[in-house]
Amino acid sequence: AQSVTQLGSHVSVSEGALVLLRCNYSSSVPPYLFWYVQYPNQGLQLLLKYTSAATLVKGINGFEAEFKKSETSFHLTKPSAHMSDAAEYFCVVIAGMDTGRRALTFGSGTRLQVQP
Amino acid sequence: GAVVSQHPSWVICKSGTSVKIECRSLDFQATTMFWYRQFPKQSLMLMATSNEGSKATYEQGVEKDKFLINHASLTLSTLTVTSAHPEDSSFYICSARPPRQGSSTEAFFGQGTRLTVV
Repeated sequence: AQSVTQLGSHVSVSEGALVLLRCNYSSSVPPYLFWYVQYPNQGLQLLLKYTSAATLVKGINGFEAEFKKSETSFHLTKPSAHMSDAAEYFCVVIAGMDTGRRALTFGSGTRLQVQP
Repeated sequence: GAVVSQHPSWVICKSGTSVKIECRSLDFQATTMFWYRQFPKQSLMLMATSNEGSKATYEQGVEKDKFLINHASLTLSTLTVTSAHPEDSSFYICSARPPRQGSSTEAFFGQGTRLTVV
């Protein structure tokens, strides 16, 4: 079984401030972890993914996330927020044998607001 | 990267009518596609897994007779909302993951379909 928990349904930061979106996972086997971003009335876009290579993963738009097995966490960070970062962010996990036939498990999402 | 195209992006229909939503993988073959439903300000909930050439697998609580899924080819899956009612109004998103042996790949998502039943 696998699950993911996102702490904080809403996060508000000032433009230029650090962005930190929290995600903790639960999995009985080594997981694959993803962060997706969703803009209003749109589909989802991949920000970054962890697939057991480097524990610090860099993604698009200046985002990065660090896989910490001891803490079962995969928090998303960005050093300096931009107004265009305002969106909904989802932490996603999949674990076990992967043949492309298994669906992802989504966190509840975190809405990021960026104040001018 | 891989592209998944969903159509239409929005649709308004009268209560009691049926609506068909298409999901296409444009540059890869998808033996499996996934249909999600998203209520306002909520996460994505998996509705069903669409399998090419066989019956879809529905999640618990999803009415298979109401949400008809057809996966007739390796690049197309359709979701038909039959006898739609206002409570079916939602954002529907499809997804597919290119098969790759021995590793996990990210899922690619369609643009989503905003269904409003009046």
